[in-house]
Amino acid sequence: AQSVTQLDSQVPVFEEAPVELRCNYSSSVSVYLFWYVQYPNQGLQLLLKYLSGSTLVKGINGFEAEFNKSQTSFHLRKPSVHISDTAEYFCAVSNNGASKIIFGSGTRLSIRP
Amino acid sequence: DVKVTQSSRYLVKRTGEKVFLECVQDMDHENMFWYRQDPGLGLRLIYFSYDVKMKEKGDIPEGYSVSREKKERFSLILESASTNQTSMYLCASSLRAEAFFGQGTRLTVV
Repeated sequence: AQSVTQLDSQVPVFEEAPVELRCNYSSSVSVYLFWYVQYPNQGLQLLLKYLSGSTLVKGINGFEAEFNKSQTSFHLRKPSVHISDTAEYFCAVSNNGASKIIFGSGTRLSIRP
Repeated sequence: DVKVTQSSRYLVKRTGEKVFLECVQDMDHENMFWYRQDPGLGLRLIYFSYDVKMKEKGDIPEGYSVSREKKERFSLILESASTNQTSMYLCASSLRAEAFFGQGTRLTVV
């Protein structure tokens, strides 16, 4: 069975600083990987996804993530954060071809001015 | 745009009541999901359905059941609500493994 571990429950960072949110997964088969974002009092929306092909994936709002199969990781990065990036971020995994999507416990990103 | 609509945004029910949470999607997606979201625990999968009348248990199915009689509608049923089922419930549908979420139902069981 697949699982997802988000190593940091909270990440505080100063505005315009770079940020990395860590995600590790476990699965015995090939996977699809996702990052979702939940802004305060809103629903979840897709930030980016890896299905196949290039291991560096670019998403909305300047975020990107790199799929590393040997380390079973899919860390999310942004070179310069803005106050509006304050949100909770969820990593998710699905075995390719299967229906089930499993989420991590989330990382709360707080931006200090 | 894909739309996933949950019937209630906020719900308050009494312990022991039977509770129905309804979810409708308008994009003909085959897969639909119910998650509950609790602080520090992320989203935990309760049940998912990959076709009409087809369902599979997720990680925390105890105390819940589901119904999918039509492709666009997926219902979550709490047979006898308990206070530990107070939570935010999120419905989603998916296409090619990408999930689209409703706004959530915040259920309080008193």
